[in-house]
Amino acid sequence: AQSVTQPDIHITVSEGASLELRCNYSYGATPYLFWYVQSPGQGLQLLLKYFSGDTLVQGIKGFEAEFKRSQSSFNLRKPSVHWSDAAEYFCAVVDGYSSASKIIFGSGTRLSIRP
Amino acid sequence: EAQVTQNPRYLITVTGKKLTVTCSQNMNHEYMSWYRQDPGLGLRQIYYSMNVEVTDKGDVPEGYKVSRKEKRNFPLILESPSPNQTSLYFCASSLRKGLAGEYFGPGTRLLVL
Repeated sequence: AQSVTQPDIHITVSEGASLELRCNYSYGATPYLFWYVQSPGQGLQLLLKYFSGDTLVQGIKGFEAEFKRSQSSFNLRKPSVHWSDAAEYFCAVVDGYSSASKIIFGSGTRLSIRP
Repeated sequence: EAQVTQNPRYLITVTGKKLTVTCSQNMNHEYMSWYRQDPGLGLRQIYYSMNVEVTDKGDVPEGYKVSRKEKRNFPLILESPSPNQTSLYFCASSLRKGLAGEYFGPGTRLLVL
């Protein structure tokens, strides 16, 4: 069955430290991959997306993600986190071959920032 | 300003009383979708629409209906709500297929007693 796994439920990092949030997927040959951020009490905001081409994708707020087909991963990274990055992060996948727009989300990783 | 609006933002109702949550976008997007968010389960797609009069089921469509009579509106209908539909609901729209949700609405928190 198609699935998206975010193995870390909760991560705490110090302000200024680097960050990597993991995402693994089990999907078709052509996945479309996304990362979203949700601040407390807010809706979701799209951070970045991968459809094809360069496997290193730049997003907003200084985030980037790398698509590794051999590892079925799409990990999110940021070189130096800020206190305002504390939020919940969701990885999501769409089957790129499908004409539909059916999406599977991971269960999320909550990020806390240590002052 | 580009936005997706949902109404109401908060709703308390009783089992079996039909309700509609409205969703509207002002960006002329073709793709719209509905999600529910529950603790520990992340977001799950309920229904999506690829254009006017074109809708399809997501992962958890049971107990929900949708319609897409106009491009800008995509209401979510609960014909006979039950307590297990207590959740946080999000509407989203996007310009292209596969983007799932380029813009999300602010959410509707529903409590079914």
